[in-house]
This record gives sequence, structure tokens and C-alpha cells, in this order.
Amino acid sequence: GENVEQHPSTLSVQEGDSAVIKCTYSDSASNYFPWYKQELGKGPQLIIDIRSNVGEKKDQRIAVTLNKTAKHFSLHITETQPEDSAVYFCAAKGGSYIPTFGRGTSLIVHP
Amino acid sequence: SAVISQKPSRDICQRGTSLTIQCQVDSQVTMMFWYRQQPGQSLTLIATANQGSEATYESGFVIDKFPISRPNLTFSTLTVSNMSPEDSSIYLCSAQDRDQPQHFGDGTRLSIL
Repeated sequence: GENVEQHPSTLSVQEGDSAVIKCTYSDSASNYFPWYKQELGKGPQLIIDIRSNVGEKKDQRIAVTLNKTAKHFSLHITETQPEDSAVYFCAAKGGSYIPTFGRGTSLIVHP
Repeated sequence: SAVISQKPSRDICQRGTSLTIQCQVDSQVTMMFWYRQQPGQSLTLIATANQGSEATYESGFVIDKFPISRPNLTFSTLTVSNMSPEDSSIYLCSAQDRDQPQHFGDGTRLSIL
């Protein structure tokens, strides 16, 4: 089955800096890669996703890149703000309708 | 995107008792899922709730412990049976419609004394 590795487990940045979270996957058949943000006391919320026919996707301060050859994808957050502090999960989904989630990255943005 | 409501949002229960968690989606969806999330950990899939038939359980989870119902395309319940302290966790409902992204409820925070 699919295996998703996510790094780092914790990321601490200063407000205004950029943050990058990286994930690798094992199943070359995976073709859909969502990213979720989970704030304290809430459920995971989809913030951006990318399909395998696209190399990069942007939404304001958030971008995701995908390298199918290397089987890795990354979340980039620019101009970080304290409200970006949360746990971020990557996921990969292929033929199965069920995505495989990474272990999560706790992002802390210091004012 | 689908809006998913879970009840209760949290509960404290005595060991040996059972609790039923309800999940309501504001639109018809083809698939609903139940996850468990230990504090600070990732999401572990318990089962896929199938409308009109028995749920499909992942390895390590059994129907006797986690019975699931899905009477229609917008509603599902998860029961945590004969609870022990090891069942203390966050239980999350999620829904997905065909090729659309998966969305989650805010979870039920369960503590067993």
C-alpha cells in the first residue's frame, strides 16, 4: 500500500518568514495530493490540493509543488502570520478512494 | 464543499459503557468515513461507512467494538462499545463525493475514566 513520509514534524518560524513542509510517497499510481490544516480543537480543513497532471498550484500565500519523478510534494507558505500556526497534514491518493496521510507538521509562527 | 456536523463535540464516559457519535452532512455524499486521532498524532482510518450495507473495517478495528450505521446518504453513526481508557481519543467523521476532496467534521473528543 501507499506510504507517506512528512517532514519536519515541528517547524518554528518568525512572522513574515516562509515555511516549507515536504512529503514523499511510495505508490507511483498516486495522482491526488491534498493538504489539510488542523487548528486546535478543530477537524482537518482542506487548504489546497494538486493532481498529478500539474506541477504547481498557488492560492494567495499558499503553494504546492509536485515532482512525480521523485515522488515528492511540498507545501510552501509565504509571509507567515501567527494565524498560520496549526498542524498541517499531507496526503496521497491513488487507485483507492482512501487517502494515506502523513504524520503531520506542527507549524509555530512567532509574532 | 460539504459541511459536516458531529455530535457530541466532547464527552467523558465511564469504562464499560458505550457512546454513539452522530455525523450529519449537509448534502448527499457517496462515501463517509470514521477516523481516530490520538493527541498529536495522524489520522487512523477505522472504517468506511457504506449506505445500506455493513461498514468496511480497517485492520485492527472490528464491528463488535465499533459498530457503524449509515441509513442514508447524509448521516452516519459510530458507536464505541465497552469503552476502556485506551479508547480515549478524537473521533472524526469525514465525507467525500465521487472525485471531490474529502472533508472532515470537527471531531468528538472522548475521555474514558
